This record gives sequence, C-alpha cells and structure tokens, in this order.
Amino acid sequence: DAGVTQSPTHLIKTRGQHVTLRCSPISGHKSVSWYQQVLGQGPQFIFQYYEKEERGRGNFPDRFSARQFPNYSSELNVNALLLGDSALYLCASSFGGEAFFGQGTRLTVV
Amino acid sequence: GENVEQHPSTLSVQEGDSAVIKCTYSDSASNYFPWYKQELGKRPQLIIDIRSNVGEKKDQRIAVTLNKTAKHFSLHITETQPEDSAVYFCAAEPYGNKLVFGAGTILRVKS
Repeated sequence: DAGVTQSPTHLIKTRGQHVTLRCSPISGHKSVSWYQQVLGQGPQFIFQYYEKEERGRGNFPDRFSARQFPNYSSELNVNALLLGDSALYLCASSFGGEAFFGQGTRLTVV
Repeated sequence: GENVEQHPSTLSVQEGDSAVIKCTYSDSASNYFPWYKQELGKRPQLIIDIRSNVGEKKDQRIAVTLNKTAKHFSLHITETQPEDSAVYFCAAEPYGNKLVFGAGTILRVKS
C-alpha cells in the first residue's frame, strides 16, 4: 500500500514566479494538510482540507493557496515567490488523528 | 493559539543510556500529542503518540508520558542505540488534524 506521495521532490524557482506542489494521500484518507519546514525548525501548519473543504489555515499570506480534488489529492500554490519561501513543503494525510507525512518537496527560491 | 515549547534543543547520550525530551503546550483544548522522528533529508515519521485520556504509553524502548494539569508531555527512550540519532519533534493538536510542532531536539547517540 503506497504512502503519501508528493511531487516534485525538488524544485528551483526564481523570485516572483509561481509554484504548484502536488500531494496524493494514503488510500482511504480524506484529510490532507500542508506544512512548511524551514531548515532547523519544526514544520509550520499552512492548510488543512477535508472532503474538499478548507478546514484550517495557518498564519501564512494570501500568496499561499490550496485545493483538494474529488480523489482527495491536493495542490499547494504559492504566488510571487520570495527568497524566504525556500523550505521543505510537507504534505500529511490523516485518518483517525494520526498524520502520515510524504517525503516533501524541497523548494529553493533564487 | 497553541504554542509548543520543546527542550533540550540538543541532547548527547552514550549508547545504552536513556534520553528524555520534554515539551509543554499552552492550549488546554489540545488532546492529541504525537512524537515524530526525522532523519536527515527524510520525512518526519510518527514513532509514538498519546491522547489526553491516558497518562502513559509504551512501545518497546519508547514511552511517552502526559500531564494534562501541568500541560506537559515527555518522550523517553531507553537503551539508546546509534540508529536513534535523529531530530525528534513533539506536537500538539488543538483541533482536527492541525498539528503545532515544537522546535525539535537533535539527539546524538555516541557509540
């Protein structure tokens, strides 16, 4: 049984560009959450989606948006990239409270 | 909102010794407390968790304790091995599927 999968694994973008990150949850998991992990820190909550509806949003600017599709996969979009957006972006799928993380997308903004 | 503090930031132990990592949280509504292990360049992996209706949970060499009155919980690793070396994160869940993480503890097990 496949775990949480994210794509791409690595990405380099230029300041001002837009990026889309993708996540496929574990089969049967309807909840997907996104986290940003800056080097040397713990993951910071960005969004949570359940049954295609946004259920929670962290303290991130409006440049960050997300959505969940009918098959429960999800996309995280970031507009007008800043150098400070460089981080590991983690997706987690949940069932019954336990959250399982994907391997992450390493985004570097230059 | 919820705030989780984690101590120590780094911990070095000799192989075979025990390691203890402590976390405090602020939101009394939090009722789920997982611990994650993250090796360099890899995803955080859930190693143990505890819910607010229990005070202690064990899984082989790993145990977690929770004191809801004092709003703190701890991870205990006994008989540490070199492969236990990693970054450990505690987290609290103030509401459904939103986790608030501590800053992490770098554990080094010296052989």
